[in-house]
Amino acid sequence: RKEVEQDPGPFNVPEGATVAFNCTYSNSASQSFFWYRQDCRKEPKLLMSVYSSGNEDGRFTAQLNRASQYISLLIRDSKLSDSATYLCVVKPYNNNNDMRFGAGTRLTVKP
Amino acid sequence: ETGVTQTPRHLVMGMTNKKSLKCEQHLGHNAMYWYKQSAKKPLELMFVYSLEERVENNSVPSRFSPECPNSSHLFLHLHTLQPEDSALYLCASSQDRDPYNEQFFGPGTRLTVL
Repeated sequence: RKEVEQDPGPFNVPEGATVAFNCTYSNSASQSFFWYRQDCRKEPKLLMSVYSSGNEDGRFTAQLNRASQYISLLIRDSKLSDSATYLCVVKPYNNNNDMRFGAGTRLTVKP
Repeated sequence: ETGVTQTPRHLVMGMTNKKSLKCEQHLGHNAMYWYKQSAKKPLELMFVYSLEERVENNSVPSRFSPECPNSSHLFLHLHTLQPEDSALYLCASSQDRDPYNEQFFGPGTRLTVL
């Protein structure tokens, strides 16, 4: 089983749609969770951290389910500029700098 | 310059060449990383330096040799590479030991090995 698994997509949605991505992780002791965004031919950038209680940043909502070992990202009212690859990232331990990346879910928002 | 910079942005080399990738961070961070990103695969962590000491080496072949002369600079020395080493090589930096530390990435070096 992969350490961090994501549906590769692609997800093709119209502007204004709501879209959700899920990610599962294999290490039940994992401590920290993130969503990164990577635009085509660009470097990854942090979109948001994922906290145990769930958190929201504008149109983006992240949820963590430790019992089922999955993380989700919900994007409401999709914009054309949301088109990118979304990377699920898991930090297995808090005492080092190791980060495990999923292969990413590709989203295309169309007019 | 701000953030994380990498040079060169593109590199084409033969299997017998020796080249080096350079990374510089201007964020005052104390941890730096090399990642390899191949098409349709997850980012693979290659090396981690924390406080200028290598703390992780994920079974990377010896044809890749990192160097971290100070907390702002990181190099990846390449020699006798194979065509399957062609990929995007990303450098990142962060503040060590913060559980929610954000890693800031450079733009990457796209490497092609002929």
